[in-house]
Amino acid sequence: NAGVTQTPKFQVLKTGQSMTLQCAQDMNHNSMYWYRQDPGMGLRLIYYSASEGTTDKGEVPNGYNVSRLNKREFSLRLESAAPSQTSVYFCASSERTEAFFGQGTRLTVV
Amino acid sequence: LAKTTQPISMDSYEGQEVNITCSHNNIATNDYITWYQQFPSQGPRFIIQGYKTKVTNEVASLFIPADRKSSTLSLPRVSLSDTAVYYCLVGDRGDMRFGAGTRLTVKP
Repeated sequence: NAGVTQTPKFQVLKTGQSMTLQCAQDMNHNSMYWYRQDPGMGLRLIYYSASEGTTDKGEVPNGYNVSRLNKREFSLRLESAAPSQTSVYFCASSERTEAFFGQGTRLTVV
Repeated sequence: LAKTTQPISMDSYEGQEVNITCSHNNIATNDYITWYQQFPSQGPRFIIQGYKTKVTNEVASLFIPADRKSSTLSLPRVSLSDTAVYYCLVGDRGDMRFGAGTRLTVKP
């Protein structure tokens, strides 16, 4: 049982480059989330999708876009990466408030 | 959205019981209280969830008073491996926001 799978695990980008972080869950959950976590800080919600076909902004949406491709997949796109987006990104899914998290993507923007 | 307030850090010793309290004065009728644990370089892990009174599982207990404006996570007989950050969340579904959490350090 894979749970929540994120790809890639590590990525280095140059300023201005774009990339998409992928997330897939196999638990048939309706809700999916993207968070970022900076060193020594708590998680901050970037975007979430309460159900297939809907997406909503969280605390820190600027500089990001998301796509809920289907019930299983929720991607996060950085159109023009900036050093301030260097962080660990976590994807999660839940049916209500018991969320399951992926292993994270460590992104460095230089 | 109900905002939560937790202590930034706590220290304990192996074998002690640890209680972490979370304040959530603006909790809504439909909101549940959920606690997560996070180890370094890992995503948070669900510990326990409750709506009112007391909930107990194999890992922890959650105490919620009648007014639901606070909750207390109780970890019995902690060990070194319980050193982690603990987050309290309040909500129903959808917009799940984590605060700064409580950094628990268990000492030998």
